[in-house]
Formats: sequence, structure tokens, C-alpha cells
Amino acid sequence: GQQLNQSPQSMFIQEGEDVSMNCTSSSIFNTWLWYKQDPGEGPVLLIALYKAGELTSNGRLTAQFGITRKDSFLNISASIPSDVGIYFCAVWEEETSGSRLTFGEGTQLTVNP
Amino acid sequence: SQTIHQWPATLVQPVGSPLSLECTVEGTSNPNLYWYRQAAGRGLQLLFYSVGIGQISSEVPQNLSASRPQDRQFILSSKKLLLSDSGFYLCAWSAGRVTEETQYFGPGTRLLVL
Repeated sequence: GQQLNQSPQSMFIQEGEDVSMNCTSSSIFNTWLWYKQDPGEGPVLLIALYKAGELTSNGRLTAQFGITRKDSFLNISASIPSDVGIYFCAVWEEETSGSRLTFGEGTQLTVNP
Repeated sequence: SQTIHQWPATLVQPVGSPLSLECTVEGTSNPNLYWYRQAAGRGLQLLFYSVGIGQISSEVPQNLSASRPQDRQFILSSKKLLLSDSGFYLCAWSAGRVTEETQYFGPGTRLLVL
């Protein structure tokens, strides 16, 4: 499967700060997804991007689908303690036996009150 | 609305014992179903996925197996657990026959092999 390079691996920030993380790939994709996983739970979809150059917001979250279709970033503004968790980027890969999501390795976010 | 269930939520098993984890989806039909394993709270490793009853694709050779006896039921099994099988197991579904649909995750099963 495709390798997604997600960075940074971890972030330690103060409440109120803005956060930025990104994913890159050597291949072109038609969809980029961003998930958040709270401790001990399954990942939950935050934002889905379907069009190159698309900029989408969901509350304090903003994500962009890179114009080259090989990258995406996620920004969180004015972080709060409940933003703590692991953030994953993901892309859909087509295979002869079906489609599958490939995930980045995740960005572990810690927010200090 | 669609919901996805996993059980048990937590499991402690001795090395060499069998395993059976169950995942069921409600509120949809013909879903694509997936099993992932997550170690140490980091990356998600795809283990198996299924596009229909009895159809299983394996991503990683290992002592685990998967079965899909019914449209909305996905089971992860092992005949003999290894210490390295410990981890957080996540089931997920996406709409069948439609590519690039959102994938939804279950609450997970935490497995500890001693």
C-alpha cells in the first residue's frame, strides 16, 4: 500500500494556541480524510476533502486538499483541552479486490491547560 | 442511522488460547467491512477487509483469520494467540460499491495476551 508521511509525530502545546499538521504522499489521490482518535476509542471522521485545492472548515478545524493532490494539512485554531488525541490523515486506495483506506502514522496532540 | 458494535470491549487471554472478536453493523446493507490493529496508540494496521459475504482479503500474513458469515457481521479469529497479538482492534465499515466513501469505526476491543 501507499506510504503517507504525516508530521509532526507529536505536539505539546498550550491551550489557546493554534496547531498545524500535514500529510504528504508520492502518489496522487482523489480524496483526503482527517480523523481524530480520543484515547481508548475508535477514530472519528473530522473532515473529508474531495477536490484539489479545496479548503474546508469544521468549527475550529480547517483542512486543505493540496493542489498537486499529493498532500493535505489540518489546522486547529485556539486549541482547548478536549482537542487532545491522535489525528490521522487517510487516503483511499483502489485495488482489484476493493478499496481500502491507508492511514498516516498519526500526530499525537497534547494540550496543556 | 448506522451504528457499529464490537465486543468484547476488553479481553485478557493467555498465550496459545483461541480468539474470537465480533463486529456487527446496523442500519446499512452490503457494507465493506474492515479489521484494523493499533499498537501503542499509534498507526492503524489494516488486517482484513471484506466486500461481501464470504469474501475476505488479507493484508498481513499472521496467525489471525477473518470471516464474514452474514452481510453485517465480521469476525476476527485466532486458533492460538501470540504475545504480539496484543493491541487495540478496530472494526470499520464503509458503503459498499461506492468508492471513496467515509469509513466509520467501531469502539474497539482492547486485547491483552499474557
